[in-house]
Amino acid sequence: AQSVTQPDIHITVSEGASLELRCNYSYGATPYLFWYVQSPGQGLQLLLKYFSGDTLVQGIKGFEAEFKRSQSSFNLRKPSVHWSDAAEYFCAVGRSSNTGKLIFGQGTTLQVKP
Amino acid sequence: DAGVIQSPRHEVTEMGQEVTLRCKPISGHDYLFWYRQTMMRGLELLIYFNNNVPIDDSGMPEDRFSAKMPNASFSTLKIQPSEPRDSAVYFCASRGTGNIQYFGAGTRLSVL
Repeated sequence: AQSVTQPDIHITVSEGASLELRCNYSYGATPYLFWYVQSPGQGLQLLLKYFSGDTLVQGIKGFEAEFKRSQSSFNLRKPSVHWSDAAEYFCAVGRSSNTGKLIFGQGTTLQVKP
Repeated sequence: DAGVIQSPRHEVTEMGQEVTLRCKPISGHDYLFWYRQTMMRGLELLIYFNNNVPIDDSGMPEDRFSAKMPNASFSTLKIQPSEPRDSAVYFCASRGTGNIQYFGAGTRLSVL
């Protein structure tokens, strides 16, 4: 079955510390992978995406993610977290054909301590 | 572009009433998606359209839910009759040729 797992429901880090959010997927076809961020009361905003090519992708707001096919993972990282990064983060997987459908993980809530 | 526009942002209604949520996708996008977000179930895809045609409605919870897309710039999600368990945030998203979904700000629905 196709699925996305974000093992950490809630993470707290100190401002300035590094961050890694985990994402594992189960998908039969070549996946497209996404990370979205949702601030309170807002919709989801795309942080970054992986379609093909370089497995380390850069996104907005200083985020990056690395696709590891052997581990079926697409972890999100940031070297130094800012208080404004507090939000909920969603990993999603889609198909490389043109169906348009995405499967989302349950989300990870990030809290940033001053 | 103004992005995906949803209305209303908040809706409070009583059980048994009809609720209509509205969405205007980004101009030129040919896919439109309706999602529901709850604490218990996370983000669920309800239905999606391609070129105004419903492609997959397997996520629609029951017959009380219906969605239409009469033209490329407008879609509705209707719940009739509404029930308290329908309380959630409903998102609309649209997608163009770039395989990226762009989300609206959502409609927070409370059914009392």
